[in-house]
Amino acid sequence: AQSVSQHNHHVILSEAASLELGCNYSYGGTVNLFWYVQYPGQHLQLLLKYFSGDPLVKGIKGFEAEFIKSKFSFNLRKPSVQWSDTAEYFCAVNAQTGGFKTIFGAGTRLFVKA
Amino acid sequence: NAGVTQTPKFQVLKTGQSMTLQCAQDMNHEYMSWYRQDPGMGLRLIHYSVGAGITDQGEVPNGYNVSRSTTEDFPLRLLSAAPSQTSVYFCASSYSTGTGIHQPQHFGDGTRLSIL
Repeated sequence: AQSVSQHNHHVILSEAASLELGCNYSYGGTVNLFWYVQYPGQHLQLLLKYFSGDPLVKGIKGFEAEFIKSKFSFNLRKPSVQWSDTAEYFCAVNAQTGGFKTIFGAGTRLFVKA
Repeated sequence: NAGVTQTPKFQVLKTGQSMTLQCAQDMNHEYMSWYRQDPGMGLRLIHYSVGAGITDQGEVPNGYNVSRSTTEDFPLRLLSAAPSQTSVYFCASSYSTGTGIHQPQHFGDGTRLSIL
C-alpha cells in the first residue's frame, strides 16, 4: 500500500530563511506527486505537481520541489520564506496505475516569524 | 465557477444520529473523493469514486457510506455518528487524462463536524 511520510511536523523560521520540507513515499511504481498548501481557515490549494520529465518542478509563489526517484523523495524548497508562507503543507502521492487513490502525508506546519 | 461546494459548513450531532454531508462539483470531473482531516494525521481518504455508479474504499472507510448517482454529486453518509468521527471533512474532485495522469484535486471549503 502507498504511504507518505513527512518528517517535520512543525517548522519555525524567520523571514528570508531558506525552507526545505521533506517528503518520502513508499510505492515502487510510477507515481504522480503533489504538494498542497492550506492557509489558516482555508481549504487545500495546489502548490506544484510532478508527473514526468524534469525532476525539478517549479510551482507558485516561488516554491519548487525535486523528485529523486532513487530516494523515493519529493522535497519542497523555497529560497527565502515570507511571513505570508505561514501555513500547513501536505505532500501527496498517487500511483499512475492500479487505482485513483491519492494518499496524503500528515502535514508540516510552518510558522514564519516576521 | 462554483467549483466544489460542500454543505453544511458546520454541524453538531449527538452520538447515534445519522447525517449526510453533501458535495457537488460543476466541473464535470470524473473523480471525486472524501477526506477527513485530524490534527497531526493529515488528510485520510475515506471513500472515492471514479465515475457515476462507481465507488471504492479509501484508508478509513468504516462508519461511512457513499454513493455516486450523478457525475456532479458525491454525498457522504454517517449512519450512526460516533465521537471518533469528530473531524473536518473535505470533498475533492479532479479529472484524469486517461493515461494514468491523475490531475490535482480541487477541494471544497470543508465541513466541520462535532459528535457529542
